[in-house]
Amino acid sequence: SQQGEEDPQALSIQEGENATMNCSYKTSINNLQWYRQNSGRGLVHLILIRSNEREKHSGRLRVTLDTSKKSSSLLITASRAADTASYFCAAPGAGGSYIPTFGRGTSLIVHP
Amino acid sequence: NAGVTQTPKFQVLKTGQSMTLQCAQDMNHNSMYWYRQDPGMGLRLIYYSASEGTTDKGEVPNGYNVSRLNKREFSLRLESAAPSQTSVYFCASSEAGGRYEQYFGPGTRLTVT
Repeated sequence: SQQGEEDPQALSIQEGENATMNCSYKTSINNLQWYRQNSGRGLVHLILIRSNEREKHSGRLRVTLDTSKKSSSLLITASRAADTASYFCAAPGAGGSYIPTFGRGTSLIVHP
Repeated sequence: NAGVTQTPKFQVLKTGQSMTLQCAQDMNHNSMYWYRQDPGMGLRLIYYSASEGTTDKGEVPNGYNVSRLNKREFSLRLESAAPSQTSVYFCASSEAGGRYEQYFGPGTRLTVT
């Protein structure tokens, strides 16, 4: 069973717009991680946010974490065509195993 | 640094054949993982190795075996391939379990006919 679930499943926007993806999880976590996957490639780590952090930035990426709602969001500002990819959240499995389990991902298409 | 490497990149098997997928990392990571990715299913964990000398089952271990050969290498074996094992297989590593980010290999695209 997946610990992290992304929403929406698909997102289509124009270049320059912001893209927001959400992730919900079921049990308490040590951290939550976001990854990007370009078509046909392996996943690339974007940001790790720990359970005692509320917000984290990396370039045009902003991640928030609300442990009371068991949810996280990834915001990509001023999106570019190169941001077209699938985005996954990963959270440690139930029971504190600390083995990340992944959701089904959000497929983002940015139109030039 | 090559990061995480996987071989082969592509493979076609007939039902009942066996094969081993190879994975190696050069980052001195303790933990290594095997995932499979199917359309619409996200990544599902097959097996993982928290540290050298240990292996544990993940969400979908049936039909697979693994070997943590040394700290660098973690192989996945299909003893008798089935069409349901047609998938893209990813190996990943991390410094120490889920407390740290994972680094992924490029994947192996396996088709079982």
